[in-house]
Amino acid sequence: DIVMTQTPLSSPVTLGQPASISCRSSQSLVHSDGNTYLSWLQQRPGQPPRLLIYKTSNRFSGVPDRFSGSGAGTDFTLKISRVEAEDVGVYYCMQATQFPRTFGQGTKVEIE
Amino acid sequence: EVQLVESGGGLVKPGGSLRLSCVASGFTFSRSIMNWVRQAPGKGLEWVSLITGDGNSIYHADSVKGRFTVSRDNANNSLYLQMNSLRAEDTAMYYCVSSFDYWGQGALVTVSS
Repeated sequence: DIVMTQTPLSSPVTLGQPASISCRSSQSLVHSDGNTYLSWLQQRPGQPPRLLIYKTSNRFSGVPDRFSGSGAGTDFTLKISRVEAEDVGVYYCMQATQFPRTFGQGTKVEIE
Repeated sequence: EVQLVESGGGLVKPGGSLRLSCVASGFTFSRSIMNWVRQAPGKGLEWVSLITGDGNSIYHADSVKGRFTVSRDNANNSLYLQMNSLRAEDTAMYYCVSSFDYWGQGALVTVSS
């Protein structure tokens, strides 16, 4: 199984400041079709997860442009350019390159 | 508007069975890969099952293989998860997910005596 490791696990941030979450996979996420199926999900308190980024760097419909994804191979990053109060929650990376699909442990973003 | 509405959750004794349903709307269900993902209380996300749009390919996590079965009814835009031989560690919120882009609100399954 591909192990997804996120750092940090907790990220206190100041409103208006940037935040960054790293995700590392135990194997390359490049699929045989050439795509890299790495996604980022946001889960606000008491809510189901919501897709933010797919295929490493593509923002999903309705996602604010302060969210951006980057990376390749085994190293990926989610950046929030200026954190807003509504960004509080847990963020997960997820790979859909191989079965079983696997998730990172989650990174809790909170306002300090 | 895409909607995924789960039902069928509840309290069941260890060794018991439960069937979850998910009704989809707002997109072409028959063309969509569908998943079940679960989240134990206070824990992270765990992928459970995937079924392709035509239902011909099915995958399950090792933790549920042989006990859970995913299926779909494209005529009724419905996804199912038959869960047998339930264990305490299956206690979780179960989410119906379309290609990991849209998620339902979840159905809570509690396995306890």
